[in-house]
Amino acid sequence: EVQLVESGGGLVQPGGSLRLSCSASGFTFSSYAMHWVRQAPGKGLEYVSAISSNGGSTYYADSVKGRFTISRDNSKNTLYLQMSSLRAEDTAVYYCVRETYYYDSSENAFDIWGQGTMVTVSS
Amino acid sequence: DIQLTQSPSFLSASVGDRVTITCRASQGISSYLAWYQQKPGKAPKLLIYAASTLQSGVPSRFSGSGSGTEFTLTISSLQPEDFATYYCQQLNSYPPLTFGGGTKVEIK
Repeated sequence: EVQLVESGGGLVQPGGSLRLSCSASGFTFSSYAMHWVRQAPGKGLEYVSAISSNGGSTYYADSVKGRFTISRDNSKNTLYLQMSSLRAEDTAVYYCVRETYYYDSSENAFDIWGQGTMVTVSS
Repeated sequence: DIQLTQSPSFLSASVGDRVTITCRASQGISSYLAWYQQKPGKAPKLLIYAASTLQSGVPSRFSGSGSGTEFTLTISSLQPEDFATYYCQQLNSYPPLTFGGGTKVEIK
């Protein structure tokens, strides 16, 4: 079964750090670009960060640039998000997402999502 | 960055109704648009990619259309399990792969 399982969320004080992990199974992890998307309580989806299949290219939303670091270990089939200098506005469910290329249309989409891990930034 | 505006943000409908949700892009994105369904407490689920291609396993009552800057998601006959929030996402200008603000479909 194709699956993404996030872990590492929790309660952290403002200014603190946290590392999220996403364990992939059921597919060739090293062949896919991966993303983090978050959702604050009661709000919509916010695109956070991306990493290419080999880890050579990364992207960050302006809201997290300089504070978050995305990485991956293809030998462990695991995606990471290192978060530092956390703020109250970073409180959200964080989803790990797989990007798939569809040959029938030559386009991409986010076809596999993890269950999400909750990060709460509060004193 | 490309902005996506969904309308309406909320709609109330009955089982069996035909429902249409619109997503407008701030600039042309060809057909690089996907639609997702999210139920409370669950992760989003891919419904449609490339503006009109149904993801495997998605019921045929869902359809998508459009290109350029205007797109629609249509549910031909709303079922009880379709009450959820729907999001569009552009995959033309990467990154960021922005999402629309969402449309919540509730039972009338």
